Amino acid sequence: GAGVSQSPSNKVTEKGKDVELRCDPISGHTALYWYRQSLGQGLEFLIYFQGNSAPDKSGLPSDRFSAERTGGSVSTLTIQRTQQEDSAVYLCASSLQTLGQGGETQYFGPGTRLLVL
Amino acid sequence: TQLLEQSPQFLSIQEGENLTVYCNSSSVFSSLQWYRQEPGEGPVLLVTVVTGGEVKKLKRLTFQFGDARKDSSLHITAAQPGDTGLYLCAGAYGANNLFFGTGTRLTVIP
Repeated sequence: GAGVSQSPSNKVTEKGKDVELRCDPISGHTALYWYRQSLGQGLEFLIYFQGNSAPDKSGLPSDRFSAERTGGSVSTLTIQRTQQEDSAVYLCASSLQTLGQGGETQYFGPGTRLLVL
Repeated sequence: TQLLEQSPQFLSIQEGENLTVYCNSSSVFSSLQWYRQEPGEGPVLLVTVVTGGEVKKLKRLTFQFGDARKDSSLHITAAQPGDTGLYLCAGAYGANNLFFGTGTRLTVIP
């Protein structure tokens, strides 16, 4: 596709359930980023991938959060035993290269709106 | 923690008015970006400023990077209803870190 796509667009789940969020980056983009955005607020960095490896996982809020990327393309963000405070919009972005290599423009997907009841 | 504070947090103005949004930090950034986000969508990059003191213009939008590369401003001339949205600044720090500001929600009333 022409842009970053994310699925599902909306997810409502019950507290304690696991959820899996998917991101399809722009073809050829080696860097992929996950952010979390609370209602009307700025973005909180979660994790980024360079290829299939995640050099920086420091932004993940707890060990209930994990992410993987396969084939240098699709990435999934998994939240285990969801809590109400996990409710937010989860945004994915991709870029041609990571920031330090000059390819700084990040292209964002529309996000997945997660509501934990 | 790299903290980027934006002001004002909310801004509601009449069509045709001018406005300035500020992005301030105590940290130095290698570059700074401005994004606009509309409801239900991801942020869209407007501009990247790299050099201290740099000024970039995008139609009615003027972006300035502070001399010390710690702060930035966005000035909109003759605001239009289409300018309505959440404006986010983001500072680049290191090889992969992009720290986003707290956001300014702008509403332009026709």
